[in-house]
Order: sequence, then structure tokens, then C-alpha cells
Amino acid sequence: QTVVTQEPSFSVSPGGTVTLTCGLSSGSVSTSYYPSWYQQTPGQPPRTLIYSTNTRSSGVPDRFSGSILGNRAALTITGAQADDESDYYCVLYMGSGISVFGGGTKLTVL
Amino acid sequence: EVQLVQSGAEVKKPGESLKISCKGSGYTFTSFWIAWVRQMPGKGLEWMGIIYPDDSETTYSPSFQGQVSISADRSISTAYLQWSSLKASDTAMYYCVRREGTWFDPWGQGTLVTVSS
Repeated sequence: QTVVTQEPSFSVSPGGTVTLTCGLSSGSVSTSYYPSWYQQTPGQPPRTLIYSTNTRSSGVPDRFSGSILGNRAALTITGAQADDESDYYCVLYMGSGISVFGGGTKLTVL
Repeated sequence: EVQLVQSGAEVKKPGESLKISCKGSGYTFTSFWIAWVRQMPGKGLEWMGIIYPDDSETTYSPSFQGQVSISADRSISTAYLQWSSLKASDTAMYYCVRREGTWFDPWGQGTLVTVSS
């Protein structure tokens, strides 16, 4: 079964830049997987940040950006703020109607 | 406003059955897939399966196939997630979410299911 991998945790200083990545246990992530990214704070449902690799969802600040870096999808936060401290999940579309979530990255801003 | 509103929290005993709901509004319910996502306590998000309310075509994650049942009633713009015999390990928050193309938005507020003897 396909496993989508993410860094379990990451930290960034306020104002700094951080790149979270999303990979596959076997193979490379490309735009054909239509990677999307979601932010979740405790007690809240997820919020859609990025879809189709690099398109920001409505209302998402432009300091969030998506890309493909090497063989992984990437979410970059430029100018991190305290309220960016959240869990971040990527989703890859596998085809045949099936999507798979990554395990999530817990981002600490300190 | 496009919105998904889920049914309230449930407390059940092992072996009991349960059906939770997700009502869509603000858009043509039959034109978009609805997915269900599990989040066990302190854990990550897991994609369970998806349904197209227009014809009830359904796809399950291999991990959840045979464990749950997803259905929809297009006449009342509602999707359902159902268990025939709950286990303690089904304790989790369950989210429904609309699929837009290949991504998910918006999300329901979540339904907390607690299974305990």
C-alpha cells in the first residue's frame, strides 16, 4: 500500500522561512498527483491552503506557496508567524477516486 | 455560502450500530463528491472513502473497505457514514469534506464518535 511521507515535526523562527515536504514510499511525487496542503489547529477542522501543487485557496496569504522540489511536493511558508504553528497535511491523488493523506507535520514557531 | 454540517457527537457501546450524517448546502449537492476522513485521538488524518451523491458511486480506501459503509440521499442533500458493529478502535473524530477536482474543500465541523463499554 502506498505511503505518503511527511516530516513528523519542524520548527521555524518567527519571520523565518520553512519548507515542508511530501513524498512517496515508492516513487516520485509529480504534478500528476495534484498535491494539496491543509492546515489544522487543535480542535478545528482542517483548512485548505494549496491545491493542484501551487494554487492558493481563497483567502490564503501569499506567504504560503506550493511547489515540486526534486521528487517531493513542498509547502513553503515565508515570514512565519506565531499563528502558523499548526499541523500540516499533504494529500496526493492516486487516481481511481482514491486520495491518500500524509502523516502530517507538526510545525512549531519559536 | 457552501457549507457541510455534520450530525452531533455520539457515545456508543461496542457492538452497536451507528450512522452519522453530513448535510450540504449552498451548492448543487449531486455535482460534487463527498469524502469521509477519520482522525483518531492525537493522530493524523486518514482518507476513508468517497461517494458521488448523484448516482451513489462509492470508492473506499483499502484500509476501510468492509469496515464502514458510505451512502447518500440526494433528495435531502445528505451523505452518511455507517457502522454495523462498532469497536473501541472506532473512537475518533470524523470529518466529511467536498471534493473539488482533486482537492478537498470545504470541511464539515466534525463528528466525535466515542465507543466505550
